Amino acid sequence: DAGVIQSPRHEVTEMGQEVTLRCKLISGHNSLFWYRQTMMRGLELLIYFNNNVPIDDSGMPEDRFSAKMPNASFSTLKIQPSEPRDSAVYFCASSFLTGTGNYEQFFGPGTRLTVL
Amino acid sequence: QQPVQSPQAVILREGEDAVINCSSSKALYSVHWYRQKHGEAPVFLMILLKGGEQKGHDKISASFNEKKQQSSLYLTASQLSYSGTYFCGTGGHSGGGADGLTFGKGTHLIIQP
Repeated sequence: DAGVIQSPRHEVTEMGQEVTLRCKLISGHNSLFWYRQTMMRGLELLIYFNNNVPIDDSGMPEDRFSAKMPNASFSTLKIQPSEPRDSAVYFCASSFLTGTGNYEQFFGPGTRLTVL
Repeated sequence: QQPVQSPQAVILREGEDAVINCSSSKALYSVHWYRQKHGEAPVFLMILLKGGEQKGHDKISASFNEKKQQSSLYLTASQLSYSGTYFCGTGGHSGGGADGLTFGKGTHLIIQP
């Protein structure tokens, strides 16, 4: 069974350009999380969805960031316009809440974004 | 608020034991432990839900003290493959679904032969 799929794996862009990161959830999962990792700030939660509904976007740094789930298995994270300080590894993770309260989060391989 | 992990780093010889602590100033519903190797994604180790339970598999176990708002990860008879950065992630108030996690800054574990 395929894991979480992210694309692109690497993205290099110039300041001011629009960047779109993509994520495909594991089949059957109903929760989607976007995290960002940098040396300075560590692993930060940006936003997460349960059953396609955004639950908490308080981690989204600015209005330049937006995330959507156009369907139950796919999500995009858009940065417009991008800035050098957005350079980071962006992970998406998916999970399924079981009856026991377990919701292991499966992380995708990440997208390494460099904004010049 | 971000949970606090200690120690920040630890170097062990193969076969030695380690304890990694995670504490929070907020009431906890769940604590998740992940391990990340350099250049890779975090990988789930275990989740502990409120109730003071202890879990484990193989030689890695964890405890969760709800009253003290802290969790500890225990690695016994460490193996070279245990090297990496360990993160605890805390979930909040889940009632209707999965929670996004607030991660600590991580504990770097180096196992030497």
